[in-house]
Amino acid sequence: DVKVTQSSRYLVKRTGEKVFLECVQDMDHENMFWYRQDPGLGLRLIYFSYDVKMKEKGDIPEGYSVSREKKERFSLILESASTNQTSMYLCASSPPQTGDTEAFFGQGTRLTVV
Amino acid sequence: QKEVEQNSGPLSVPEGAIASLNCTYSDRGSQSFFWYRQYSGKSPELIMFIYSNGDKEDGRFTAQLNKASQYVSLLIRDSQPSDSATYLCAAISGGYNKLIFGAGTRLAVHP
Repeated sequence: DVKVTQSSRYLVKRTGEKVFLECVQDMDHENMFWYRQDPGLGLRLIYFSYDVKMKEKGDIPEGYSVSREKKERFSLILESASTNQTSMYLCASSPPQTGDTEAFFGQGTRLTVV
Repeated sequence: QKEVEQNSGPLSVPEGAIASLNCTYSDRGSQSFFWYRQYSGKSPELIMFIYSNGDKEDGRFTAQLNKASQYVSLLIRDSQPSDSATYLCAAISGGYNKLIFGAGTRLAVHP
């Protein structure tokens, strides 16, 4: 059974803290994605990675960075957390994108920055 | 302009009716399109993908793609209350094959 696991389901952090969100997949997928989901805005792509140590900015990368040192792990880093980064964060993984590939999602991390 | 656009809804249909969900996309280079369903508090899960013009059917679901009009739709026949969820349209876009989602359409099927 395919599995994408995010390290925390709920997280509360203070403004200015450095925050790490971890995502691990066990499907040997090349692609991994980080999205944030806010009401009325859908899933917005923050960063994605198509190989180890390779990363590309998504639509809203400001205030975030990522790390992919191993194929199975993709970390999202909030350098200095701010209240406008309070959101649901979803990690996904997939094989190389072709017409019939499916992205599998983790359970999500609800981050609250206070 | 957003790369993938959807009407946020809610779309309300009676049980047994056909629900029609629509999506437009801006990147003419996009080749593959996906419909995901997301129940409240859960992660998205794939319903269907389509990459050829025309219709693709899978059980009660039919995806339609019109590349000339840059339009994708999802029809749900014999809608059930269990179909009540948010439906997310997604497209592969860009040189590195980013997976981009629309904002989602909330569907409510009432008995």
